[in-house]
Amino acid sequence: QVQLVESGGGVVQPGRSLRLSCAASGFTFSSYPMHWVRQAPGKGLEWVAVISSDGINKYYADSVKGRFTISRDNSKYTLFLQMNSLRPEDTSVYYCARDDESDYWGQGTLVTVPA
Amino acid sequence: QVVLTQSPSASASLGASVKLTCTLSSGHSTYAIAWHQQQPDKGPRYLMKLNTDGSHSKGDGIPDRFSGSSSGAERYLTVSSLQSEDEADYYCQTWGTGFRVFGGGTKLTVL
Repeated sequence: QVQLVESGGGVVQPGRSLRLSCAASGFTFSSYPMHWVRQAPGKGLEWVAVISSDGINKYYADSVKGRFTISRDNSKYTLFLQMNSLRPEDTSVYYCARDDESDYWGQGTLVTVPA
Repeated sequence: QVVLTQSPSASASLGASVKLTCTLSSGHSTYAIAWHQQQPDKGPRYLMKLNTDGSHSKGDGIPDRFSGSSSGAERYLTVSSLQSEDEADYYCQTWGTGFRVFGGGTKLTVL
């Protein structure tokens, strides 16, 4: 069965960096675009970034452009999100999701950036 | 840029039906969307992809009680025979080249 498992979250000071991972299994990872979505405490879902199946095309929400980088290693069935210059407003649960319509989601990993 | 509008809240009685609405912004009425459910303290769960013509494809294990329909720029999610576990936040989402957009979500209360 399809599984997506995020890791790498934690508490990080403002201005510092963090790298999230999403380990995929149960499907041909290299065939699907993947994206990151986040959810601040008590708020709705916010799309963060998407990467094409071959890793060439990458797009970002304006709120993270220039600070976050999405990447993937198709040989290791893993999606990444490198987050630099973190801000308190980046505090969220970060989810990875598969394909345009997000037909599978991970369980999320919490990133906390204290004020 | 596409904007998805959802009512913040809805309620219905146990065993009844409820219809949630997601409205696509002007000029974007041909977009397909997806519906997701998020139960309290859980991650989102994909319910279905809903096309402009009302055809839809549901995710794995999604009960027949969940159905979708479309009319113009409106996309609907109908939940029939409401159960207590249907109390959740429901989000619509759409996509295009280089972007994904979520609606603000509707909090469904089962009375």
